[in-house]
This record gives sequence, structure tokens and C-alpha cells, in this order.
Amino acid sequence: QKEVEQDPGPLSVPEGAIVSLNCTYSNSAFQYFMWYRQYSRKGPELLMYTYSSGNKEDGRFTAQVDKSSKYISLFIRDSQPSDSATYLCAMSGGYSSASKIIFGSGTRLSIRP
Amino acid sequence: KAGVTQTPRYLIKTRGQQVTLSCSPISGHRSVSWYQQTPGQGLQFLFEYFSETQRNKGNFPGRFSGRQFSNSRSEMNVSTLELGDSALYLCASSLGPGTGSEQYFGPGTRLTVT
Repeated sequence: QKEVEQDPGPLSVPEGAIVSLNCTYSNSAFQYFMWYRQYSRKGPELLMYTYSSGNKEDGRFTAQVDKSSKYISLFIRDSQPSDSATYLCAMSGGYSSASKIIFGSGTRLSIRP
Repeated sequence: KAGVTQTPRYLIKTRGQQVTLSCSPISGHRSVSWYQQTPGQGLQFLFEYFSETQRNKGNFPGRFSGRQFSNSRSEMNVSTLELGDSALYLCASSLGPGTGSEQYFGPGTRLTVT
């Protein structure tokens, strides 16, 4: 079993829809949770960065972390064609020298105009 | 503020050769991490450098190595290239060491081994 599981998609939704992207994980030591957006042939772009459980909102994006269920989500409101990309969840245990960021495999999202 | 830069952007090498990739972090960032991204394995951590010292290493063979200079710029080297080393190599910089700091990625170097 992978430490971080993410549905690869592809996920196709109409413009203006609310998009829900999710990841589950198995390592209870994870404390930092991130979402990256990656356009084709580009490097990942940090979208959201959260510590521990709870919600964080930034514009049309909301990140949720439920540590009790080992489940994180990214919601995109009023989705736009420019949101079409691969979304990667990532998580880590923190500042220890042995800690590494573990990435999900990514979900390919397509927003239909 | 300029982002993370990586050179070269594209590279074609022959099996058995060696290659050196370069990364310049965001100004003021002192930590640099390297990742390999392939369609089959996704993003995999290679190593992290902070203050010219390797702090962490992923599960890659010794053919993969790196270093960091006093100005925080970093290089990674792959010796005796294999076909399976074809991938997008990404560098990410952050203010401090460890994974509690936000990491920002460069555009990557796409390496093709023939």
C-alpha cells in the first residue's frame, strides 16, 4: 500500500462546477499537507499549504484536512478552463532531518467550457 | 522576485554517459531539494541540501549524487545513465531545511536517455 493514495482521474467537469479532489494517507506522523497544480510540461506550483487539521481558504480554493480519517481534500469553486491541470497532493512529517515530502500520483482535471 | 531556475531545460544523452543538472533557488532560500518525475512512479524525492550539506536522501542508487554551493545553487549528477533515468528532474527551494517550509519548484529539466 502506498503512503499516499490519489485517484489519477481523469476528472472532467463543466465550467463553473465545484471540483472536489481528494487524497488518503496511512502515515499518522504527517503534519504538513500541500496541494500543487502542474500544467503540462511545467513544474508543480504550490497552491495550498496547511498544518495539521482544519480548513484553509484562498480565493476559489479551499483545502481541508481531516487527520482522524487521514483524508485531505481540495475544493475549487467556480471552476475555469484555466484550472485544467494535474493536481498533486503532498504531505510530510515536519522539520526532522529524516522527514520527506511524499507526493500523491496526481489527478488530471479537465474543465469543459 | 525571480523563481527557481533550472538549466538546461532539455537534454538528450546516450546510455552510459553522465549528466549534470543545475538549479538556482529563489533569492534568500537556502534549502534545495531534487525530485524525479516519471509517468509510472510520479514524483520521487532524490535528496535535499541545506548549507552545502546533504540533509536527506531518497531511495536512489549511488549513481545519483548532488552538491550545493555557498551561494545555495545546487547541481545534481547522474553517472552511467540508463534508459530508465529518462524523466523530468525537478528542483525545489525553500527558506529552511526540512519539510515544514514551503517548497517552490522550478520548471524542470527533461532528460531523455537513448
